[in-house]
Amino acid sequence: GENVEQHPSTLSVQEGDSAVIKCTYSDSASNYFPWYKQELGKGPQLIIDIRSNVGEKKDQRIAVTLNKTAKHFSLHITETQPEDSAVYFCAASTTGGGNKLTFGTGTQLKVEL
Amino acid sequence: GAVVSQHPSRVICKSGTSVKIECRSLDFQATTMFWYRQFPKKSLMLMATSNEGSKATYEQGVEKDKFLINHASLTLSTLTVTSAHPEDSSFYICSPDRAASEGTQYFGPGTRLLVL
Repeated sequence: GENVEQHPSTLSVQEGDSAVIKCTYSDSASNYFPWYKQELGKGPQLIIDIRSNVGEKKDQRIAVTLNKTAKHFSLHITETQPEDSAVYFCAASTTGGGNKLTFGTGTQLKVEL
Repeated sequence: GAVVSQHPSRVICKSGTSVKIECRSLDFQATTMFWYRQFPKKSLMLMATSNEGSKATYEQGVEKDKFLINHASLTLSTLTVTSAHPEDSSFYICSPDRAASEGTQYFGPGTRLLVL
């Protein structure tokens, strides 16, 4: 089955700096890679996703890159703000195969003033 | 994104009782529902996958007789934790799947269960 590793487990940045979270996956059949933001006591919120037919996707301050050859993908947050503080999860799945997501272990991001 | 509701948002119960958690897909019909469990400071672990009108498929290590799942309609799925014990205390989250979503999944707000 799929295995997703995520690093770092905790990340502290100063407000305005950039934050990068990296994930690797094991199943070459995986073709869908979403990122979720989870605030304390709430369900995960989809913030951006990427499919295997593209290498990069950007949405305002958030971007995701995908390297299928190396089987890794990364989340980039620029101009971080205190409200970006949360736990971020990467995930991978194979669409058409039941859409079951395999999650990374999560990254606790803290944006300090 | 999709609108998903869960009820209750939090529940405290005594050991040995059963607890039912409802998950509703409010703006689309969910042919499949995923149920996840999340322990504090841990990742989401898939418990089971249910399909409307048929039996759920449970992940390895998840007791099907303890976690009863009913997916009676395309907008409602329920998870019942039977004879709950303190080790069942966790955050339970549902995620309805739409066949045409091409993998995109949205999650409910979660239900915090505390078993005393």
